[in-house]
Formats: sequence, structure tokens, C-alpha cells
Amino acid sequence: ETGVTQSPTHLIKTRGQQVTLRCSSQSGHNTVSWYQQALGQGPQFIFQYYREEENGRGNFPPRFSGLQFPNYSSELNVNALELDDSALYLCASSLTAISDEQYFGPGTRLTVT
Amino acid sequence: DQQVKQNSPSLSVQEGRISILNCDYTNSMFDYFLWYKKYPAEGPTFLISISSIKDKNEDGRFTVFLNKSAKHLSLHIVPSQPGDSAVYFCAASVGAGGTSYGKLTFGQGTILTVHP
Repeated sequence: ETGVTQSPTHLIKTRGQQVTLRCSSQSGHNTVSWYQQALGQGPQFIFQYYREEENGRGNFPPRFSGLQFPNYSSELNVNALELDDSALYLCASSLTAISDEQYFGPGTRLTVT
Repeated sequence: DQQVKQNSPSLSVQEGRISILNCDYTNSMFDYFLWYKKYPAEGPTFLISISSIKDKNEDGRFTVFLNKSAKHLSLHIVPSQPGDSAVYFCAASVGAGGTSYGKLTFGQGTILTVHP
């Protein structure tokens, strides 16, 4: 059984640029959630995708957007990057949208300069 | 507004002794609670969970206790092992399987160090 994978591992971008982060769900999982983890903090919920539709959103501006594909893999897009967007971005998959137990990938470390 | 708080940034214990990690929450709508463990360069790993209809759940060396009236939960690890050294996050959700949209609200984490 393949776990949750994310790419790239690390990324450096300049303020104002756009970035796309990718996630492959654990086999059999149809729901993906994205979290942002700032240094020294716990992960913060960005949004969730279930069967290719956004299924809940946290307190993040519209420049954070996502996609889920028919194979349940997912992308997180961030436009107009700001310095405060520097963080570890975690993707988590779950069996269904009503599952509370989520399985996390290793994350993508984004640095905005 | 920090709805889930882990007030101890770090905890150090001796191998073989008990580790107790604490977590407080403010949102009375939370009804499902989870603990995750995180090693450096890895994502959080699910450890154990508890529903609000219970006050205790055990899984091997790990036990989670929930005190709803105090809005407090704790994770006990007995006996502690050096391999348990990691960051531990508690998390909570509203309406398990309901309208929570899988949104987990996390605490800030506690760094546990178990000395041989």
C-alpha cells in the first residue's frame, strides 16, 4: 500500500510569484486535505477536496486554491506569494470525507524570499 | 484564537518512565480528538483517537484520557522508549463524520525527549 506522497520536497520562490504543490493520496482514499504549518506551530487547515470538489475551507484568502483530479491526486496553488507564506505544506488523505483519521505526507517546505 | 492548546512546549523523561502530554481545548463543539506524532522531515503520523462519548482509550503503551467537563485531554505513554522522542500534536474536530469537513484543529505541539 502506497502512502501519501508530495512534491517537491523543497521550494524557494520570490514574493509575488505563484507556486503549485502536488500530492498523491494513499491508495483507496478519495479525500484530500491541505494544511499549512508555520515554524513552531501546529498545522492549520487550508481546505479539503472530496471527489474533485472543494468540501470545506479554513481561514485562508482566495489566492490559496486547489484542485483534485479523477485519480484523487491533488494540487495546492498559491498566487501572489507573500513572505508569510513560508511554511511546511502538508497534504493528508482520508478514506472518505467523513473520516476523521487523516494520513499525512512528508510535506513541501516552501520558502518565500 | 487558539482553540486547541498544548501549554508545554517540551517534556523530558527517562526511558521506562511514564510520559504525560497534555492538551486543552475551548470549543465545546469538538467531539473527536486525535494524537499525532511527528518525526523531523516526516509528516504527522496518526497515533490514537478518542470520541467524546468515551473518557479513555488504550492502544498498547498509549492511553488517551478525556475530561469533557474540564475540556482537557492527555496522552500517557508507558513505558517510554527513546524511539518515542518526537513532536506530539493533539487535534480536534467538530462532528465526527458530520459537518466538520475533515477539518482538524491542531495544538502547537510538545517536543518529547526520552533519555536512555
